[in-house]
Amino acid sequence: EVQLVESGGGLVQPGGSLRLSCAASGFTFRSYEMNWVRQAPGKGLEWLSYISSSGSTVYYADSVKGRFTTSRDNAKNSLYLQMNSLSAEDTAVYYCARLQYNGQSYGADYWGQGTLVTVSS
Amino acid sequence: DIQMTQSPSSLSASVGDRVTITCRTSQNIGTYLNWYQQKPGKAPKLLIYVVSSLESGVPSRFSGSGSGTDFTLTISSLQPEDFATYYCQESHSNSYTFGQGTKLEIK
Repeated sequence: EVQLVESGGGLVQPGGSLRLSCAASGFTFRSYEMNWVRQAPGKGLEWLSYISSSGSTVYYADSVKGRFTTSRDNAKNSLYLQMNSLSAEDTAVYYCARLQYNGQSYGADYWGQGTLVTVSS
Repeated sequence: DIQMTQSPSSLSASVGDRVTITCRTSQNIGTYLNWYQQKPGKAPKLLIYVVSSLESGVPSRFSGSGSGTDFTLTISSLQPEDFATYYCQESHSNSYTFGQGTKLEIK
């Protein structure tokens, strides 16, 4: 069974840092591209980051570029999101999602349960 | 960046109704368009990819169409479990931008 489990969320002060983790199981993690997506309270989904299966290619949304860093450790079946210079606008549930290639493009076919990050003093 | 505009933002409908949600993109994305369903407190679920292909296990009352910049998600006969928020997403560019969502509520 495919499982993605995020961890590392919590309360952090403005300007602070946090590192989220996403533990993958039930599939060959090193073969899949991954995304980070967040959802602020009562708001819609916001794509944050894409990472290739090898980790060599990473893309970011403009809203987090230069502040957030996505990485992965295929030996540990884990995905990471390092978040720096956090502000209240970063308060959200953060999801990791597996990208499935369907022969033409990608869709996020499995998602974690999400981890809540709250930025507040 | 590609802008995604969904309409309507919210929609009230009854069980058995046929509903259509529209997604418009600011650039031609061909058929690189996904649809997701999200229920409160839950992670999104992939419904449709490349405009019209149903993800495994998704009921056939869901369908998608369109190409280029205009896309639609149709639910042919609403069931109680379909009341949720729906998002389109482009997978054409290096940013997998989502639409703002359409909340489907019970009338």
